[in-house]
Amino acid sequence: AQKITQTQPGMFVQEKEAVTLDCTYDTSDPSYGLFWYKQPSSGEMIFLIYQGSYDQQNATEGRYSLNFQKARKSANLVISASQLGDSAMYFCAMREGGFSTGGFKTIFGAGTRLFVKA
Amino acid sequence: ETGVTQTPRHLVMGMTNKKSLKCEQHLGHNAMYWYKQSAKKPLELMFVYSLEERVENNSVPSRFSPECPNSSHLFLHLHTLQPEDSALYLCASSQVEAGVGNTIYFGEGSWLTVV
Repeated sequence: AQKITQTQPGMFVQEKEAVTLDCTYDTSDPSYGLFWYKQPSSGEMIFLIYQGSYDQQNATEGRYSLNFQKARKSANLVISASQLGDSAMYFCAMREGGFSTGGFKTIFGAGTRLFVKA
Repeated sequence: ETGVTQTPRHLVMGMTNKKSLKCEQHLGHNAMYWYKQSAKKPLELMFVYSLEERVENNSVPSRFSPECPNSSHLFLHLHTLQPEDSALYLCASSQVEAGVGNTIYFGEGSWLTVV
């Protein structure tokens, strides 16, 4: 069963506006971590933001924030004040359990391609 | 200097060739990973090394052979590959400890084309 779902294959946003990229996940493990990565056309996967399942506050990193709704199992990425350099693929990812329990697997969604228009 | 460095960035090889991808991490991590990214497919975990021991091998064909001589270096040896093995191969590293918050940091990837 697919555990990370990104339903938006592509998104357009006007420069300087905010955009939300959707991510839903499925797990029965009470302990998990959620991550967002950015992948420009060059190929490198760049870590953006992390949210732990027990974190009470939504994570924020500069212009990135993670809208974590635990009951709905969603972890949407919000990018404020979009810039042309934000055009890239964005991947949502999840890790269940911890390394002590063999939780080395971080699984990734299919990604959303974001286009920022000037 | 970037945290995780991969060489070569681009590789074209014939199906009978033998080549290797190299990865080096400068983050002091003790777990390293190989991921494969093909067009229109999610990122696939291939191998995981923790404390220099292989702990994960996700049914990867034997034509891919990983090697982790120390905690900073990881290789992926390639031989008799098929055209469908053409993909972006991403190396990553993280710190082994309990908890789900340890972030995986990726290199820039090696673009492999098998002809």
